[in-house]
Amino acid sequence: DVKVTQSSRYLVKRTGEKVFLECVQDMDHENMFWYRQDPGLGLRLIYFSYDVKMKEKGDIPEGYSVSREKKERFSLILESASTNQTSMYLCASSSLAGAGNEQFFGPGTRLTVL
Amino acid sequence: GESVGLHLPTLSVQEGDNSIINCAYSNSASDYFIWYKQESGKGPQFIIDIRSNMDKRQGQRVTVLLNKTVKHLSLQIAATQPGDSAVYFCAEKDDYKLSFGAGTTVTVRA
Repeated sequence: DVKVTQSSRYLVKRTGEKVFLECVQDMDHENMFWYRQDPGLGLRLIYFSYDVKMKEKGDIPEGYSVSREKKERFSLILESASTNQTSMYLCASSSLAGAGNEQFFGPGTRLTVL
Repeated sequence: GESVGLHLPTLSVQEGDNSIINCAYSNSASDYFIWYKQESGKGPQFIIDIRSNMDKRQGQRVTVLLNKTVKHLSLQIAATQPGDSAVYFCAEKDDYKLSFGAGTTVTVRA
């Protein structure tokens, strides 16, 4: 089974702190994604990566950056956390095989910024 | 950007009945439409997809219908079970990216 793991299930940070969210997948997938999930808004794409050291902005990249130094790991960075970044963060990966429609999600990290 | 939306945020269904979850989309250029299921405390899980040149696709207990004329997508679940209680998201695919709707919460009544 594909497994996508995220470093924390719950995280509490203070405004202005630098926050790292880590995601690891074990299926050698080329594509990796970071989403945030908010009530009534569904999932919104922050950044994605289709290869090591490659990244593309999603729909809401402001206030975030990413790093993909190894194929299995995709990190989301909040340079200076703000209260409006309180949210559920979901990481996903997918293969280039087939249509690539099936993204495999991690369990999520619920981040609270005080 | 393009929007993908679901008609109703909640749906209550009697166990054993069929469920129909609806979704409207706006990007005619999307090449695939996909349904995901998210159970409480978990990440979304792929259910079924349909290519834009098809109008119906069946899976195990699920059927997805695509009406390109009115830009409407639906997911039908046959003989709904308690384990079907979840949030259901439709999504449209453009290249690598998925754009998700807001989700419909399905509650199955015993």
